[in-house]
Amino acid sequence: QQPVQSPQAVILREGEDAVINCSSSKALYSVHWYRQKHGEAPVFLMILLKGGEQKGHDKISASFNEKKQQSSLYLTASQLSYSGTYFCGTEEIGETSYDKVIFGPGTSLSVIP
Amino acid sequence: DAGVIQSPRHEVTEMGQEVTLRCKPISGHDYLFWYRQTMMRGLELLIYFNNNVPIDDSGMPEDRFSAKMPNASFSTLKIQPSEPRDSAVYFCASSPDLRGANTGELFFGEGSRLTVL
Repeated sequence: QQPVQSPQAVILREGEDAVINCSSSKALYSVHWYRQKHGEAPVFLMILLKGGEQKGHDKISASFNEKKQQSSLYLTASQLSYSGTYFCGTEEIGETSYDKVIFGPGTSLSVIP
Repeated sequence: DAGVIQSPRHEVTEMGQEVTLRCKPISGHDYLFWYRQTMMRGLELLIYFNNNVPIDDSGMPEDRFSAKMPNASFSTLKIQPSEPRDSAVYFCASSPDLRGANTGELFFGEGSRLTVL
């Protein structure tokens, strides 16, 4: 089941912060975050596993609340290079040992000078 | 490693023609995924393989679509006959281990942009 993302789009000025949310109606094993620039392939940012851990690198971090099946991506002190479409991908806890990553509709983020 | 390699990068064809998209995953990766991306529907999972075996093809739109993975280093996605609504960017991605201790990261190829006239 496709996760829901919010907001659909956001415009920031350099240095501002942003939060992108992802939620699912299903119990999740993991949440992935990817960024895609126009005309390019999605690029991995991070994965959060069941256990509610928070991760981050540089000024991008994320949290995962497994009880609420929600994840948030935090971008602090945004840079022009942060512009792109952000996708969350969810892996649902299923009955078999195999599972799949389903992506949300994406959040378009534009950072302007 | 060269990363995930897809071909062709661009394909323009006429309705009714057969289209074959190719993918070479990263060596040693056990999982291979085919996604389709359109403005309307976003990134849709079509099918995925584990150790060359198709695990879930529930995302394949209809019988016109088929995918194979004859060996660990090659996969094809075929559309026959193609229709204008199949126009999209088709991404192949591979992963070493979806639930591994490391990352479970999906490594995407550059995509094949298909236009069906």
